[in-house]
Amino acid sequence: DADVTQTPRNRITKTGKRIMLECSQTKGHDRMYWYRQDPGLGLRLIYYSFDVKDINKGEISDGYSVSRQAQAKFSLSLESAIPNQTALYFCATSDRPGTGRTGNTIYFGEGSWLTVV
Amino acid sequence: QKEVEQNSGPLSVPEGAIASLNCTYSDRVSQSFFWYRQYSGKSPELIMSIYSNGDKEDGRFTAQLNKASQYVSLLIRDSQPSDSATYLCAVNRGPNTGGFKTIFGAGTRLFVKA
Repeated sequence: DADVTQTPRNRITKTGKRIMLECSQTKGHDRMYWYRQDPGLGLRLIYYSFDVKDINKGEISDGYSVSRQAQAKFSLSLESAIPNQTALYFCATSDRPGTGRTGNTIYFGEGSWLTVV
Repeated sequence: QKEVEQNSGPLSVPEGAIASLNCTYSDRVSQSFFWYRQYSGKSPELIMSIYSNGDKEDGRFTAQLNKASQYVSLLIRDSQPSDSATYLCAVNRGPNTGGFKTIFGAGTRLFVKA
């Protein structure tokens, strides 16, 4: 089983609909992230969380919200989906500082393909 | 100017050859540098990290860093068809600040022809 699990893996939704992408991890990491990947643009950070009570905006947070329900769970919501949010979304984790240089390694989930029509 | 730039490719090399992937970055204070491999439809996975100027070797992979030129590269020796993937260069400003300060390049697609 994957250490970072995302659901759903694929979803087609209509413009204006609300959709939630869920993520759970068994790595025991405090830090969790949501990225989106678009062709030619690479991975861009949407939101990140350092612990259950911590939520921070990334570089492209507009139109998205997140919830950190537990150390192991971090969900991403699109309140009113629009076609330019069609992308591949990745949940990811990393260790905390003080764990040596492994704190920089990012572990990605399998990805969630979202299509907004 | 993008913070981390890579040639999108595709880079095509014959099996057994050396594949050379290049990356430049704009922030001079960057301290940590990474190469992730991403197979089509899959998630990125870390293959190399490098923190000091010079070369770092791991099996068939060698990462090279030149902070003065703001340049990092990945060499893949004895390339195999299974190396065909997109390679993402990533740069972090801190020594240990994790994903929220890691900037990714758009990736270079590599094809290794059998």
